[in-house]
Amino acid sequence: GAVVSQHPSWVICKSGTSVKIECRSLDFQATTMFWYRQFPKQSLMLMATSNEGSKATYEQGVEKDKFLINHASLTLSTLTVTSAHPEDSSFYICSAVRTGSGRTEAFFGQGTRLTVV
Amino acid sequence: AQSVTQLGSHVSVSEGALVLLRCNYSSSVPPYLFWYVQYPNQGLQLLLKYTTGATLVKGINGFEAEFKKSETSFHLTKPSAHMSDAAEYFCAVSPTSGSRLTFGEGTQLTVNP
Repeated sequence: GAVVSQHPSWVICKSGTSVKIECRSLDFQATTMFWYRQFPKQSLMLMATSNEGSKATYEQGVEKDKFLINHASLTLSTLTVTSAHPEDSSFYICSAVRTGSGRTEAFFGQGTRLTVV
Repeated sequence: AQSVTQLGSHVSVSEGALVLLRCNYSSSVPPYLFWYVQYPNQGLQLLLKYTTGATLVKGINGFEAEFKKSETSFHLTKPSAHMSDAAEYFCAVSPTSGSRLTFGEGTQLTVNP
């Protein structure tokens, strides 16, 4: 199967600072990546759709100026949580879409646990 | 719009017993349906998916699910639970393969010795 790597796996930051999370497709190119957020004991909620070379599409209620997404290459999308606050503490998971041989499939990264103190 | 409902946020079974995790969906288009498993502090692992064709789908680790259009259901089953099956399970739906997923609330499966 295809491999999607997220980095870091976990991060602790101080309130008011910014944190960058990387999502890489290691063995395929992905024009589309998705960013999800999962609060403790809850389901995954789509935050935004990241498209290579264009602006991300954010879901309703997600602040685009707070959650900056950059998809500058076909193998890398980054999510930057700016001016993080404790309520941003969550598990962030990306997925990358692989297209080829008549099939389209999404693969998930291992997630990033963000704790803001 | 699409939505997913997982009946039962917690399911507990004995080792060796049948596992049944329920999932009902709502979709205005023919859905693509998925089951994922998540272990603590880890990402999602795809168990199985339904796209088109055969309605009984077999996945990894002995799991299978049946797409029943008339019941708008996609329940996950496994004949005999193992301790290693204890995890969180998510049912998800999307309008096409590789597009955004809408997840259910998840079901925590506990397997008792």
